[in-house]
Amino acid sequence: ILNVEQSPQSLHVQEGDSTNFTCSFPSSNFYALHWYRWETAKSPEALFVMTLNGDEKKKGRISATLNTKEGYSYLYIKGSQPEDSATYLCAPNYGGSQGNLIFGKGTKLSVKP
Amino acid sequence: EAQVTQNPRYLITVTGKKLTVTCSQNMNHEYMSWYRQDPGLGLRQIYYSMNVEVTDKGDVPEGYKVSRKEKRNFPLILESPSPNQTSLYFCASSLALGKQFFGPGTRLTVL
Repeated sequence: ILNVEQSPQSLHVQEGDSTNFTCSFPSSNFYALHWYRWETAKSPEALFVMTLNGDEKKKGRISATLNTKEGYSYLYIKGSQPEDSATYLCAPNYGGSQGNLIFGKGTKLSVKP
Repeated sequence: EAQVTQNPRYLITVTGKKLTVTCSQNMNHEYMSWYRQDPGLGLRQIYYSMNVEVTDKGDVPEGYKVSRKEKRNFPLILESPSPNQTSLYFCASSLALGKQFFGPGTRLTVL
């Protein structure tokens, strides 16, 4: 079973702080990396799908980078807001469009007003 | 409205009583998948389907069956549920293996 590590497991920040967390994954046979945002009592919601080494994606105050050679991705949140409080999941895919996603356990972010 | 629906949303049942959780999407997505979420374990894939009549095992398929007779539907079948299948279940769909659209979840308790 492939090991996908997310760190830290949880994070508490003040409103306005910028923060980042990491997803580490085996780099062999990598195809794509997904990031999802999961609010309590809701369903996971897609943020990004990234495939290329050096890729950078941005959605509002959230951005992500990808290093496929060393097997990691960073998710950044600029100026955190209480509504950013959620669990952030990463999931690499190794089988291309014929494969499956392996989810990490997530980083739980709490933003205090 | 583009969506993934699951039914039922909540179910309490007893060991051994066969049940089916339905999943339907209206986005013409080829790829559909079932996950279970357990505390401390994160989302784990049960089965996935790349298209009609094409299904494959995920990481935790034991005790589950699926079928994909139509593109829009991907039911999850528990032939003989056991207490260790008590969990929160999510269905998801996507074009190929792009961004997954998740259903609202089904909370299953097996007594």
